Amino acid sequence: QLRLQESGPGLVKPSETLSLTCTVSGGSIRSSSYLWGWIRQSPGKGLEWIASIYYSGNTYYNPSLRSRLTISIDTSTKEFSLKMSSVTAADTALYYCARHEYFDFWSGSGWFDSWGQGTLVTVSS
Amino acid sequence: EMELTQSPATLSVSPGESATLSCRTSQSTNFLAWYQQKPGQAPRLLIYGASTRATGVPARFIGGGSGTDFTLTISSLQSEDFAVYYCQQYDKWPFFGPGTKVD
Repeated sequence: QLRLQESGPGLVKPSETLSLTCTVSGGSIRSSSYLWGWIRQSPGKGLEWIASIYYSGNTYYNPSLRSRLTISIDTSTKEFSLKMSSVTAADTALYYCARHEYFDFWSGSGWFDSWGQGTLVTVSS
Repeated sequence: EMELTQSPATLSVSPGESATLSCRTSQSTNFLAWYQQKPGQAPRLLIYGASTRATGVPARFIGGGSGTDFTLTISSLQSEDFAVYYCQQYDKWPFFGPGTKVD
């Protein structure tokens, strides 16, 4: 059974870079049918897709966050990671990693069929 | 940019009753998914492609609609169905609606 587990610091200072890692187990990260993505959830903005990545390195970013994001993948360790720079209090949220079944590979559109339990990130000095 | 509106914000129903949740998109699409989220848990995929149930989802969850108006019907509500339900469009990039709480 596929399992995704987020890890990373729970507290980040304003203007610094948030770094999260998702470890995939119970399935292949090299599947040709899926992307691997990050979604966040906050009381103010609800659920928001952040970014996704294909095992070969194709990346997809939310246009509203793109300038601050880097998503990467390491198939040897079955991990993918997210870096978000210049964080503010508005980035405080529960961050989920998820398997992203794509409908259109070129746009990255699709749905999320398996989720991690989420990790809470608070931006505060 | 695509906008999603879900109604009602809260739906009060009793076990055994049916519930119909609405999701309206600002642009015509057939690329819509539904998720269920219980307190303290991650969202769970219920429906994709507007009407296709995900693996393991009970038949009482029925997705319908097309164009700009979509529905999720839960027939004969079970106690475990009380949760928040989100729609998500994937016309260009994934975008979620604000949710409907079923209590």
